[in-house]
Amino acid sequence: EPEVTQTPSHQVTQMGQEVILRCVPISNHLYFYWYRQILGQKVEFLVSFYNNEISEKSEIFDDQFSVERPDGSNFTLKIRSTKLEDSAMYFCASSPYAIRGKNTGELFFGEGSRLTVL
Amino acid sequence: AQSVTQPDIHITVSEGASLELRCNYSYGATPYLFWYVQSPGQGLQLLLKYFSGDTLVQGIKGFEAEFKRSQSSFNLRKPSVHWSDAAEYFCAVSAGSARQLTFGSGTQLTVLP
Repeated sequence: EPEVTQTPSHQVTQMGQEVILRCVPISNHLYFYWYRQILGQKVEFLVSFYNNEISEKSEIFDDQFSVERPDGSNFTLKIRSTKLEDSAMYFCASSPYAIRGKNTGELFFGEGSRLTVL
Repeated sequence: AQSVTQPDIHITVSEGASLELRCNYSYGATPYLFWYVQSPGQGLQLLLKYFSGDTLVQGIKGFEAEFKRSQSSFNLRKPSVHWSDAAEYFCAVSAGSARQLTFGSGTQLTVLP
């Protein structure tokens, strides 16, 4: 069964360093998302990506964050200068549906990348 | 803006007992509603979803949920819990142009032998 894959599974970095988290969405999916979950807290939406551009982003997704789909398969989240509070599990998700340009919302999640900022 | 409330932070049940996890949502239009499960160290797995039609939806692993518009609820149920059901359960509503999910804060389920 196709699945969303994420790398690395765990990354430890020093505060101020740049981090890139990688995701390979399911191949025929059209919408891509990043979510994060700080330990013990709820899963929070960061950004959605459709048709090679950001479609929506939350207030968490500030200028230190960026997303990119550099080729036909990868979807990356870059954190430019990491802070202690960026420590979290980051989930990538993808969604297959686009009916008249609108997604019906069933998301398939990867297993997450745990980021620890020291 | 949409929101999801899961009033129970932690629920403990005995194996074989029935289960109901509560979820209330706030959304101006017809919601798309989901339940996801997260086992420790794992990603989020979709249990079931409601888009429209029959308000009682069946999911995987013997779970079901009932959409009640009048109560703005989408409670998850299982008639007989198994030890392997111990996990965290998240209710979510889909909204926005990209149909991104807004999650509740989750309910941690513990199953006693």
